Amino acid sequence: DIQMTQSPSSVSASVGDRVTITCRASHHIVTWLAWYQQKPRQAPKLLIYAASTLQSGVPSRFSGSGSGTDFTLTISGLQPEDFATYYCQQANSFPPTFGQGTRLEI
Amino acid sequence: QVQLQESGPGLVKSSQTLSLTCTVSGGSISSGSYYWSWIRQRPGMRLEWIGYISESGSTRYNPSLKSPVTISRDTSKNQFSLKLTSVTAADTAVYYCARRFCTGGSCYFDPWGQGTQVNVSS
Repeated sequence: DIQMTQSPSSVSASVGDRVTITCRASHHIVTWLAWYQQKPRQAPKLLIYAASTLQSGVPSRFSGSGSGTDFTLTISGLQPEDFATYYCQQANSFPPTFGQGTRLEI
Repeated sequence: QVQLQESGPGLVKSSQTLSLTCTVSGGSISSGSYYWSWIRQRPGMRLEWIGYISESGSTRYNPSLKSPVTISRDTSKNQFSLKLTSVTAADTAVYYCARRFCTGGSCYFDPWGQGTQVNVSS
C-alpha cells in the first residue's frame, strides 16, 4: 500500500494567517491526491481533488499544489471555521490510503 | 443533494458480526458511476478504506483488513450495508459510509455520512 505522511502533525495559527500543510507519498502518485477537512463530531468534507481542483462550494482561500510525491494544502487568510483536522488521500493505486492528519489549532 | 446516514448497533461482542447500514437520500445507489464505500477510523489511527459496492452491484475490498468483510445493498430501500465477521477489539472504530466518485481516472470520497461509533467488547 502507498503510505501517506503529513507534516506537521499539528500547527497553531491565528485568524488571518496563511498556513501550509504538506503530504508526502511513498510512491509516485502523479496528481491523484485529495484533501479533506474534518471538524469534531462531523464527517470529513472533500476540499480539493486531483491535487489542485477545488470541490464545488469550497472557498477559494483553500488551494492545493504538487505532483509526484510531494503535495501541499494552503489556506490563505484563515477563518475561525477553518480550525479542524486535515487529511490527504492518494487516489493513484488500490487501496486508497490516507495521511495521519494535521490538526490546525488556534 | 445526496446525503448518507449510517445506522446500526454501537456495541458488538468480540467474535460476533458487526452489521451497519447506510441509507442514501437525494440520489439512487443503482444509478450513476458511483461506488458506495465504507471507511473507518480506529482510535488514534488514520482513516482506513474498507471497501465499496458499485452501482451495478460489484464489490471490492481492502485486502489489508483482517476481519472478513461483505458489502451488500438493498436497492428497494436505497441502502447498502457492511458486515464484518469475527470482530475483535481492533475493529472498534468510527465507521463512515461515503460515495466514491471518479474523475480523470482517479477516485475520491464525497459526500460522507456523519459516522457511527462501534465498540467491540470482550
